[in-house]
Amino acid sequence: ILNVEQSPQSLHVQEGDSTNFTCSFPSSNFYALHWYRWETAKSPEALFVMTLNGDEKKKGRISATLNTKEGYSYLYIKGSQPEDSATYLCAFKAYNQGGKLIFGQGTELSVKP
Amino acid sequence: DVKVTQSSRYLVKRTGEKVFLECVQDMDHENMFWYRQDPGLGLRLIYFSYDVKMKEKGDIPEGYSVSREKKERFSLILESASTNQTSMYLCASGTTGLYGYTFGSGTRLTVV
Repeated sequence: ILNVEQSPQSLHVQEGDSTNFTCSFPSSNFYALHWYRWETAKSPEALFVMTLNGDEKKKGRISATLNTKEGYSYLYIKGSQPEDSATYLCAFKAYNQGGKLIFGQGTELSVKP
Repeated sequence: DVKVTQSSRYLVKRTGEKVFLECVQDMDHENMFWYRQDPGLGLRLIYFSYDVKMKEKGDIPEGYSVSREKKERFSLILESASTNQTSMYLCASGTTGLYGYTFGSGTRLTVV
């Protein structure tokens, strides 16, 4: 059974704080790692797809890194804003699983003004 | 703009009822998925389909069935709804390549 773990489960920060979360995934059969942002009452929205060991992706104040050899990815948010409040999901795609993504439990971020 | 559309945003059903949740995508994706999301448990895969008339069980298929008669439509069926099926249900579609899913907006089902 493929297992994807995210930590922490929830995070409460003040506006302006920088924060980061972790996603751990199997290091074998790696194909891709996805990050999604899920705001309340909306659909999960794709942030990044990462495929190569050492990949770094950036979108505004949000960035992500990937280590496929040890099986982890970090998501960073610089200078958190209240509009960053959401659940952040990572999902692992293996070579032999067709199009199926295995999701972590998510990290729920709350940013207070 | 590409879309995955779920037929209902909120549903309230009675215990024992047969419930249909519909999902339609307009992206010609071969793969479609049904998940449920519960606090602290993340997204759990119920069923998925790689092609028309094909279906595979996910991690928690008990109490559910699915139907995919057309490529664009994937239906989740609760044969006899129970209170422990109260949850947020998300439909998604995708391809077999590197890219991820496009999600619907979810159906919050309450079984009373």
